[in-house]
Amino acid sequence: NAGVTQTPKFQVLKTGQSMTLQCAQDMNHEYMSWYRQDPGMGLRLIHYSVGAGITDQGEVPNGYNVSRSTTEDFPLRLLSAAPSQTSVYFCASSPSPGDGYTFGSGTRLTVV
Amino acid sequence: GENVEQHPSTLSVQEGDSAVIKCTYSDSASNYFPWYKQELGKRPQLIIDIRSNVGEKKDQRIAVTLNKTAKHFSLHITETQPEDSAVYFCAAAYNNNDMRFGAGTRLTVKP
Repeated sequence: NAGVTQTPKFQVLKTGQSMTLQCAQDMNHEYMSWYRQDPGMGLRLIHYSVGAGITDQGEVPNGYNVSRSTTEDFPLRLLSAAPSQTSVYFCASSPSPGDGYTFGSGTRLTVV
Repeated sequence: GENVEQHPSTLSVQEGDSAVIKCTYSDSASNYFPWYKQELGKRPQLIIDIRSNVGEKKDQRIAVTLNKTAKHFSLHITETQPEDSAVYFCAAAYNNNDMRFGAGTRLTVKP
């Protein structure tokens, strides 16, 4: 098992550009989430999914879109990048309610 | 949504001492409370979790306690070692939906 795989590991964007952060898991986990981590602010939930075809917003969803067409993949789209979106992004998955999340290795995004 | 507060933000202890980190949550429906450890430049890793039908759980040197009435839960690390130095995060959720994290506690264990 590769676990949770995130690509790319690093990315620099210009303000206004769009891009997709990829997240894939090979553990057949139903639950998947995207978090951003900024210094001193912990992990903030962007969007989450409880199964294929089902997504919902977290606490900081503005400027981001997600979709969950398959159990394995949960891409995060930045619609028009802004410097405030400079952060480390983590994708995580869990097999069921009451089981811990497994995190990917993260994507470090810089918007200039 | 759920709101999780975590204290202290930094904690420094001598090797061999105990460390306690406390979290409070706002949503009485939350029923799952994990703790994560994050070393510098690494991903968060689950170290222990507790569900709402249990008051305490122990795994070697770490333990978690939950008080549902007061809506708070705590992480206890005994006989601390330098390799315990990291940032620790608590979290709360109802059935893994919309899991929210505390702001983190930077633990330093001095040899």
